[in-house]
Amino acid sequence: EADIYQTPRYLVIGTGKKITLECSQTMGHDKMYWYQQDPGMELHLIHYSYGVNSTEKGDLSSESTVSRIRTEHFPLTLESARPSHTSQYLCATGNLGQTEQYFGPGTRLTVT
Amino acid sequence: GENVEQHPSTLSVQEGDSAVIKCTYSDSASNYFPWYKQELGKRPQLIIDIRSNVGEKKDQRIAVTLNKTAKHFSLHITETQPEDSAVYFCAASRNNNAGNMLTFGGGTRLMVKP
Repeated sequence: EADIYQTPRYLVIGTGKKITLECSQTMGHDKMYWYQQDPGMELHLIHYSYGVNSTEKGDLSSESTVSRIRTEHFPLTLESARPSHTSQYLCATGNLGQTEQYFGPGTRLTVT
Repeated sequence: GENVEQHPSTLSVQEGDSAVIKCTYSDSASNYFPWYKQELGKRPQLIIDIRSNVGEKKDQRIAVTLNKTAKHFSLHITETQPEDSAVYFCAASRNNNAGNMLTFGGGTRLMVKP
């Protein structure tokens, strides 16, 4: 069944560590997005990509970076984690020419 | 940029009653308005959407209305059930170079009391 996968689902890490949050999809979609969401609060777009080798920053300023080397894979990297990065990170996908977006299960990150 | 406001932030209703959540948006170029339901610890799920060329859309117990002139849209849930309890997010979408970007409202926590 087509789906969006995020790993790890939960991560507790110390300040200053480098981390990569993985997002992969079998939806066959070209568009991929990263959102940041504090529990129960609104979602903020931090990065998006409309295809391989295409990445853009979203509305919310973020110290993270992304890459899109393969259509199905859109990892997000934090070079040096800080407590202010503690949040949930949601990956989403969409099809070119369509407006619907579908979400992955999220990664809950805690930086101590 | 786009700004989406959502009200109320919390809503408590008795099972069987109706629930209405309202959103306003600022960018008149926005043309797609989805609603997501997020249960505790789960991913947001798209439950219904409406485009700017339509005034109302209904799917069983849920409906969405859009007033483009006033730049507001609403979610209506009839005959609420305890499993409707969740956080609901509205969003507005505008197009850019190759696709669309969603701006979300702040969310409404709906509690349906049995």
